[in-house]
Amino acid sequence: DTGVSQNPRHKITKRGQNVTFRCDPISEHNRLYWYRQTLGQGPEFLTYFQNEAQLEKSRLLSDRFSAERPKGSFSTLEIQRTEQGDSAMYLCASSLPGRNTEAFFGQGTRLTVV
Amino acid sequence: SQQGEEDPQALSIQEGENATMNCSYKTSINNLQWYRQNSGRGLVHLILIRSNEREKHSGRLRVTLDTSKKSSSLLITASRAADTASYFCATVNAGNMLTFGGGTRLMVKP
Repeated sequence: DTGVSQNPRHKITKRGQNVTFRCDPISEHNRLYWYRQTLGQGPEFLTYFQNEAQLEKSRLLSDRFSAERPKGSFSTLEIQRTEQGDSAMYLCASSLPGRNTEAFFGQGTRLTVV
Repeated sequence: SQQGEEDPQALSIQEGENATMNCSYKTSINNLQWYRQNSGRGLVHLILIRSNEREKHSGRLRVTLDTSKKSSSLLITASRAADTASYFCATVNAGNMLTFGGGTRLMVKP
């Protein structure tokens, strides 16, 4: 499968624990996006990388969230001291460089904080 | 925050009818894209329309873009039960940020 891969697919964690998600983009895609989606809502932008550089980060993102993309390939999203409000689907997408390119999404990681 | 707003939020039609969804946005864009999402799954890209284009077709899909009104529409003709899904518009700005609206939930009844 050469699509965007996200792991794990599901994560249940206790409040206060840290969690880390991984995204493997399509090779040659230098752009990588993270989104959060709750039930019945559209994907909410979290952060965006071009190669290894984090170009944008949502102002809604608290300091408990951090994302990295070492070497410009896979990316990780870490949530520290999880809260029940963090329960959501976390989506990753990647795209080629250029002004008018489509984004390809992974299947997402569903996080449940209990 | 979300850039686009879709209208209606939910739409229910009979198989064979056409479905029209609208999207409005706030700031200047490079392009506008439409995505589809089946329940609990990832998003699938449907069509991209550039800021200098006014209309685009792909199979049963027709997308229009009016940059003066900052709005777009997605028309699905001859709908099928398999078209049941959520549809989202997404805008891309000069910094290549992709920002989504709240979506339209379409139900096509057989």
